[in-house]
Parts: sequence; C-alpha cells; structure tokens
Amino acid sequence: EAGVTQFPSHSVIEKGQTVTLRCDPISGHDNLYWYRRVMGKEIKFLLHFVKESKQDESGMPNNRFLAERTGGTYSTLKVQPAELEDSGVYFCASSPYLDRRNTGELFFGEGSRLTVL
Amino acid sequence: QKEVEQNSGPLSVPEGAIASLNCTYSDRVSQSFFWYRQYSGKSPELIMSIYSNGDKEDGRFTAQLNKASQYVSLLIRDSQPSDSATYLCAVSRASKIIFGSGTRLSIRP
Repeated sequence: EAGVTQFPSHSVIEKGQTVTLRCDPISGHDNLYWYRRVMGKEIKFLLHFVKESKQDESGMPNNRFLAERTGGTYSTLKVQPAELEDSGVYFCASSPYLDRRNTGELFFGEGSRLTVL
Repeated sequence: QKEVEQNSGPLSVPEGAIASLNCTYSDRVSQSFFWYRQYSGKSPELIMSIYSNGDKEDGRFTAQLNKASQYVSLLIRDSQPSDSATYLCAVSRASKIIFGSGTRLSIRP
C-alpha cells in the first residue's frame, strides 16, 4: 500500500513568487492534515480536512496560504506571494478515521522543503 | 506557555541503558497522547499511543501518563544506537494533534 506522498520534495523560490505543494494521502483516509516545521521549532498545525471539508484551519498563518482538497482526495497548499518567513518543511499527514477519542495515528509524508530567498 | 513542552536535549545515554523522555501539556481536556520518532531528514512515525493513566508497554518502550500532573513520559529500555533520533510528544486537542518541539536522543556505544 502506498504511503502519503508529497510533491515537490524541495522547492526554492524567490520572495513574492507562488508555490503550490501537493499531498496525496493514503487511499481511503478521510482525514488530511497539513503541518509546518520551521528550523529549530516544533511541528505546527496548519489545518485539517475531513474529506473535502475544512474541519479546522486555525493554524493557517495568514491569507497568503490557501489549501484545497477537491473531491476529498489529494490536497494542495498554495503560498502566494511567498515571504522569507514561509521557509520550512511542510508535512502532510493522513489518518483513516476520526472517533471521539481521535487515535491520532497520523501517517506522515516525507515533507516538502520550501526555501524562500 | 507552549501547549506541549519537551526538553530539547540532546539527551545522551549509553548503549544498553534506559532512556527517559518527558513531556508536559497545558490543556486538561486532552484525551490522547502520542510519542513519535523522527530520524534526521525523515518524517515522524508513531511509536506509542496512550489514553489512560498509568503505564503502557510495547517491547522496549513504555509510555507513562499522569493526567492529574499533565505529564507524559517515554522510557526506552536496552537503548540501541538505532534509537538515536528526535522524539516528539504529541497531544490531541479536538480533532487536531499538537506536537512538542522534540527531544534529541543520542545513544553512545
């Protein structure tokens, strides 16, 4: 079974440009999460999809970030325009179900490293 | 105050000894607690989950939870060089999982 895949693995762009990151969750996983790790800091929650709906987007830093999950399958995270502080590793994770207890057994992708110059 | 706090380390432990990793959390309503392991340049992977007060053992790993003290720990017995990694404590809050900044563990031969 294929794991969570992310593309690109590394992107280098200049300030002001646009970048789109893609995540393909494990097939059948309704829950999809985006996280970001900035150098030396904790992995910070960005948002959570349940199927195609945004369940929680409280971690999105500002309106330069736009996440979509059309059809409840893959998801994209667009940063437009990119700023220097957006540099970091963007992780996508998926999980198969969400119950009251929320097992939290997230399956992570390898991450997309974004460098903004 | 951070929602999930961990000592960043590095924690250096001799091979074969017990490694003890600690974590505190701020939200009393959290119900689920996890330890993830992350090797350098790789993605986090779940190694333990715990939901009730007390101990939970899985092989060389034991997770301990004390909800009254808002404290979670991970013990690794008979530490091996392959255990050298960053260990992330994670806590559920509603539908999201909140991560600590991680403790870097180094097992010295």
